[in-house]
Amino acid sequence: DGGITQSPKYLFRKEGQNVTLSCEQNLNHDAMYWYRQDPGQGLRLIYYSQIVNDFQKGDIAEGYSVSREKKESFPLTVTSAQKNPTAFYLCASSIEGYTEAFFGQGTRLTVV
Amino acid sequence: AQSVTQLGSHVSVSEGALVLLRCNYSSSVPPYLFWYVQYPNQGLQLLLKYTSAATLVKGINGFEAEFKKSETSFHLTKPSAHMSDAAEYFCALTGGGNKLTFGTGTQLKVEL
Repeated sequence: DGGITQSPKYLFRKEGQNVTLSCEQNLNHDAMYWYRQDPGQGLRLIYYSQIVNDFQKGDIAEGYSVSREKKESFPLTVTSAQKNPTAFYLCASSIEGYTEAFFGQGTRLTVV
Repeated sequence: AQSVTQLGSHVSVSEGALVLLRCNYSSSVPPYLFWYVQYPNQGLQLLLKYTSAATLVKGINGFEAEFKKSETSFHLTKPSAHMSDAAEYFCALTGGGNKLTFGTGTQLKVEL
């Protein structure tokens, strides 16, 4: 079945450690996105990529990094510079701009 | 710049009653508009989308929305609420780029 796979579903890390969240899609979509979700704040865009080897900062990119070496994959690294990393992270993809995005099931990151 | 405003972070209805979730948008170009639903600890699922064709859009699970340019609105309705409709609902838009901008969400509660 085609779709977007995020792993792991739950992730625990100690403060000060970098952590990488995985996002893989087999929909042959060009565009991929990372969103952060906090209660009462909706979804905020971290990074997005419209094509392999290219990506742009979203609204809250500080403390995060991404890569897009393959069309299918768009991993997100939460670095120790992110001051409040505990959140629900959602990955999405779309064929191109102006079309709907398809979402993965999310990764809940808890930093202790 | 583009933005989405969802009026009412929490809406409560009785089972069988009309559901009305409000969404207003701002966009400097003709927008594409979307409604998504999210169940706890899951990703977002597309309910319906407006892409400049018919202004009344029908989606899954009996939901529909009407695009009103003069009011810059895209409210979501369902004639008769069901217990299974309890979830969080997000309005979103794209316009002038590949970014999908979300509202802050409306939590729908359905009571017996």
